[in-house]
Amino acid sequence: DQQVKQNSPSLSVQEGRISILNCDYTNSMFDYFLWYKKYPAEGPTFLISISSIKDKNEDGRFTVFLNKSAKHLSLHIVPSQPGDSAVYFCAAAKPAYGGSQGNLIFGKGTKLSVKP
Amino acid sequence: DAGITQSPRHKVTETGTPVTLRCHQTENHRYMYWYRQDPGHGLRLIHYSYGVKDTDKGEVSDGYSVSRSKTEDFLLTLESATSSQTSVYFCAIMGQGASNEQFFGPGTRLTVL
Repeated sequence: DQQVKQNSPSLSVQEGRISILNCDYTNSMFDYFLWYKKYPAEGPTFLISISSIKDKNEDGRFTVFLNKSAKHLSLHIVPSQPGDSAVYFCAAAKPAYGGSQGNLIFGKGTKLSVKP
Repeated sequence: DAGITQSPRHKVTETGTPVTLRCHQTENHRYMYWYRQDPGHGLRLIHYSYGVKDTDKGEVSDGYSVSRSKTEDFLLTLESATSSQTSVYFCAIMGQGASNEQFFGPGTRLTVL
């Protein structure tokens, strides 16, 4: 049972335009959401996060939007650059219990290609 | 750079042999995690640790064991490797605080023939 879903395996965008990556979740207990970027042969790198008490978080070219009623979040990259080409993972976390603080559940990823 | 190293970076082994992967951190973080990444599956949690000698199972723990005898090292052992354990393995750490941000190592590519 997939609790975090990224339904688009790939996305192709022209340089300078907006990239929108989507993520849906099923568990209403999730209270923190994160986006990671991954280049081939490297570990994932943290990009941006959002708490469930907010509906938007912005960091430079990256903005994450959270719609709790729809259980949907999206990552906007504006303007897109060729260096943004990577696989993007959405992840979610539940409130900690016992030693499980920080346990993340990841989506399957979306491969973004930004064409010059 | 979160100060995480993984060793070995690449390993080829045969079915039935034991394999140990090592994750080493220099940041003194309490929480450490082992994930595997497979095509079509994203990242899946194998085991995690919330302190020295404190570990617990994740989503795909069957066939794996872990140990953490010191803060800086988190070992993942495949007691008897199988071809289904061919994967890329990532270690991650998380510091104190409420942000849930994990920082990942460079990964170990394991092939079980």
